[in-house]
Amino acid sequence: GAGVSQSPRYKVAKRGQDVALRCDPISGHVSLFWYQQALGQGPEFLTYFQNEAQLDKSGLPSDRFFAERPEGSVSTLKIQRTQQEDSAVYLCASSLGSGSGNTEAFFGQGTRLTVV
Amino acid sequence: AQRVTQPEKLLSVFKGAPVELKCNYSYSGSPELFWYVQYSRQRLQLLLRHISRESIKGFTADLNKGETSFHLKKPFAQEEDSAMYYCALSVLDDYKLSFGAGTTVTVRA
Repeated sequence: GAGVSQSPRYKVAKRGQDVALRCDPISGHVSLFWYQQALGQGPEFLTYFQNEAQLDKSGLPSDRFFAERPEGSVSTLKIQRTQQEDSAVYLCASSLGSGSGNTEAFFGQGTRLTVV
Repeated sequence: AQRVTQPEKLLSVFKGAPVELKCNYSYSGSPELFWYVQYSRQRLQLLLRHISRESIKGFTADLNKGETSFHLKKPFAQEEDSAMYYCALSVLDDYKLSFGAGTTVTVRA
């Protein structure tokens, strides 16, 4: 596809359920980012991959959050034992370059997670 | 740690009127500043970045290091400019963006 693709677009989970969110970055993009966007707020950084290496996971809010990108392409963000405060839009972004923030990041449509 | 502040949650202007979206940042070094835009039902996309010094869709933004600001301006707003605008910052040798809370712009006919 031409852009970053995320699935599912919407997810409703019962509290305590595990969820997995998928991101297909633009082909050939080295860098992949996950952001969390709560209602009425800007996106907040969660984690960063350079190819398959997870170089920064400082933004993950708890050890219930786990991300992987095993082959340096598709990435999955997993949230275990979901809580109501996990309700947010989860954005994935990819960029061609690595290391520098001034390489343009292309965003997916996001996955809206609602925990009930 | 760096921080981005957008003081206006909502901004409403008439078509043809000037529009200015405020963005202030806190960072002691030399940041890279960006404006991202999200139109209704579309994904977040880059509008402009300060290092390119471009004018995109009639918008400009000047980095003022003395005032630590990166305000976005357009002299004549159009209805298609109605959207959510986010100011963002990254720092040298870092890779993540720090976003402001966003400003919703409504351009009325």
